[in-house]
Amino acid sequence: AQSVTQPDIHITVSEGASLELRCNYSYGATPYLFWYVQSPGQGLQLLLKYFSGDTLVQGIKGFEAEFKRSQSSFNLRKPSVHWSDAAEYFCAVGAAGRRALTFGSGTRLQVQP
Amino acid sequence: DTAVSQTPKYLVTQMGNDKSIKCEQNLGHDTMYWYKQDSKKFLKIMFSYNNKELIINETVPNRFSPKSPDKAHLNLHINSLELGDSAVYFCASSPPGGENTEAFFGQGTRLTVV
Repeated sequence: AQSVTQPDIHITVSEGASLELRCNYSYGATPYLFWYVQSPGQGLQLLLKYFSGDTLVQGIKGFEAEFKRSQSSFNLRKPSVHWSDAAEYFCAVGAAGRRALTFGSGTRLQVQP
Repeated sequence: DTAVSQTPKYLVTQMGNDKSIKCEQNLGHDTMYWYKQDSKKFLKIMFSYNNKELIINETVPNRFSPKSPDKAHLNLHINSLELGDSAVYFCASSPPGGENTEAFFGQGTRLTVV
C-alpha cells in the first residue's frame, strides 16, 4: 500500500524568503504525485501534479516541485513566499488501479512579515 | 460557476441523530469521492464512486451510507451519529482518464456532534 510522509508539521518563514516543504512517499511503482493547498475554512486546491516526464513540475502561484525517484521525494518549493501563502499544504500520492488519493498529514505554513 | 458544491457547510447535531450531506459537481466528471478530515487535519478516503458504482469502500462504519443517484451527485447519509464522527467531510470529483487525474474538492462540511 502507498503512504506519504510530510516530516514537518509546522514551518515558519519570513515574507520574501524561499520555501521548501518536504514530502516522501512509499509506493512500489511510478507514483502519481500531487501537492494541494488548504486555506483556513476552505477546500483543497491543486497546486501541481507529477505523472511522468520532466521531473521538475511547475504549478500555480509560483510553486514548483521536483520528483526524485532515488529519494522517493516530491518536495515543494517557492523562491519567494508571500503572506497569502500561509495555509496548510498536503502532499498526496495516487496509485495505479486505485482512483483515490493517499494524503500526507500536512504541513502548516506560517509567514512572518 | 463550475465546481464541486456541498451542503450544508456547517452541521451541528446531537448524538444519535441521522443526517445527510449532499454533493453535486457540474464538471462532467465520472468519479466522485468522500474524504474525511479529522481534527488533526489528516485526510482519508472513505468512498469512491465511478459512474454511480461503488469502487472504493474503506474501513468505514456501516452507519455511513453513500448514495449516488447519478454521475453528478454523491450524497452521504450517516445514521446514529457519534461524537467521534465530528470532522470535516470533503466531497471531490475526478475527470475520466484512469488513475492519473487530480481530484477537485468541495468546500467541506464541518460536522459537529454534541
